[in-house]
Amino acid sequence: DQQVKQNSPSLSVQEGRISILNCDYTNSMFDYFLWYKKYPAEGPTFLISISSIKDKNEDGRFTVFLNKSAKHLSLHIVPSQPGDSAVYFCAASSGLDSSYKLIFGSGTRLLVRP
Amino acid sequence: ETGVTQSPTHLIKTRGQQVTLRCSSQSGHNTVSWYQQALGQGPQFIFQYYREEENGRGNFPPRFSGLQFPNYSSELNVNALELDDSALYLCASSLDGTSSYNEQFFGPGTRLTVL
Repeated sequence: DQQVKQNSPSLSVQEGRISILNCDYTNSMFDYFLWYKKYPAEGPTFLISISSIKDKNEDGRFTVFLNKSAKHLSLHIVPSQPGDSAVYFCAASSGLDSSYKLIFGSGTRLLVRP
Repeated sequence: ETGVTQSPTHLIKTRGQQVTLRCSSQSGHNTVSWYQQALGQGPQFIFQYYREEENGRGNFPPRFSGLQFPNYSSELNVNALELDDSALYLCASSLDGTSSYNEQFFGPGTRLTVL
């Protein structure tokens, strides 16, 4: 039972254009959502997060949108750069769980073409 | 400030053997979580240790066990290895994993292959 789903295994965009990565979740108890980026041979690195009390959070070129009614979040990267090419994981956490463990999606591989 | 480190980088074992993976957390981080990432999947939570006690466990059998030490190091032990245990094992440390959400910093992982 996958609680966090990333239905697009890969995405290819032109440098300078917008990249939109999508994520769906099923557990309404999730109240914190994160995006991690992973390069080969490295661990995931935190990118941006959003609390369930917000619907948008921006950090430079990265914006995360949360639609609680649809249980959907998305990551927008504008403008996309070749260095953004990596695997992006969506993750969710619940404050009802004392471990605040992360539940990850299966990832989307982003390729930004020069 | 040093990041999270893991050893070894790669490991090959045979079915039925036992393995110990090691993690060194960032200084001052009293919480460590372990994740298993199978090929083509996202990381899956194994368990978390907070101040040397287990604080939460995912859907993994008891042959997966752990230890956390006062010096910010920790271990993941897996007994009776099975072929499906082949995966990337990630540890993540955080400042305090029990009071509120705190950013988890991941190590580069240990790639375990079971033959």
